Amino acid sequence: ETGVTQTPRHLVMGMTNKKSLKCEQHLGHNAMYWYKQSAKKPLELMFVYNFKEQTENNSVPSRFSPECPNSSHLFLHLHTLQPEDSALYLCASSQDSGQGAGGYTFGSGTRLTVV
Amino acid sequence: AQSVAQPEDQVNVAEGNPLTVKCTYSVSGNPYLFWYVQYPNRGLQFLLKYITGDNLVKGSYGFEAEFNKSQTSFHLKKPSALVSDSALYFCAVRDKTNNDMRFGAGTRLTVKP
Repeated sequence: ETGVTQTPRHLVMGMTNKKSLKCEQHLGHNAMYWYKQSAKKPLELMFVYNFKEQTENNSVPSRFSPECPNSSHLFLHLHTLQPEDSALYLCASSQDSGQGAGGYTFGSGTRLTVV
Repeated sequence: AQSVAQPEDQVNVAEGNPLTVKCTYSVSGNPYLFWYVQYPNRGLQFLLKYITGDNLVKGSYGFEAEFNKSQTSFHLKKPSALVSDSALYFCAVRDKTNNDMRFGAGTRLTVKP
């Protein structure tokens, strides 16, 4: 375990379902991130939270809705997804999202399949 | 905005041979550079980073990377590859003046016995 825990590991959902992905870290980090990983494409940054405040939303469709209740937890709420949303969703954390030299600590990801 | 290019989708090497995984970057200022490795069904794991100082950076599992400012490259190297090194490798760059980390598309390394 890296210190960043993601649940569930696998999720299959229909296009009309509503589900949530959860990410938890107890590393004392202040910034948390959602990334989408699709085959043969660069990692796509979706959302950035710094000290619980959303600081970046990379033009993500509204069917993805993030929530960060505290610095240790991050959720990604999903509704009316499309098959092209099937991917590995990675959560990461870092000391801060400012001008630091630190790298990111990643969770193992949630493999999402939309049917 | 910064960007990263990993020109090879796939690198194949024989066990015991040296390996190189290439990475070039584009950034307006001075970069922080990173390498991550991803094993099947796992998240990305940090390997090494360049912040400042010596251009040759040593990291986990015997990997090293060389920062070359003139060629804007940060290639990952290992003198003797192991079968267990087979994985997906990502290069990333972070501009010192902003908070944005950009990742390459990844290079799949296969080490054959």
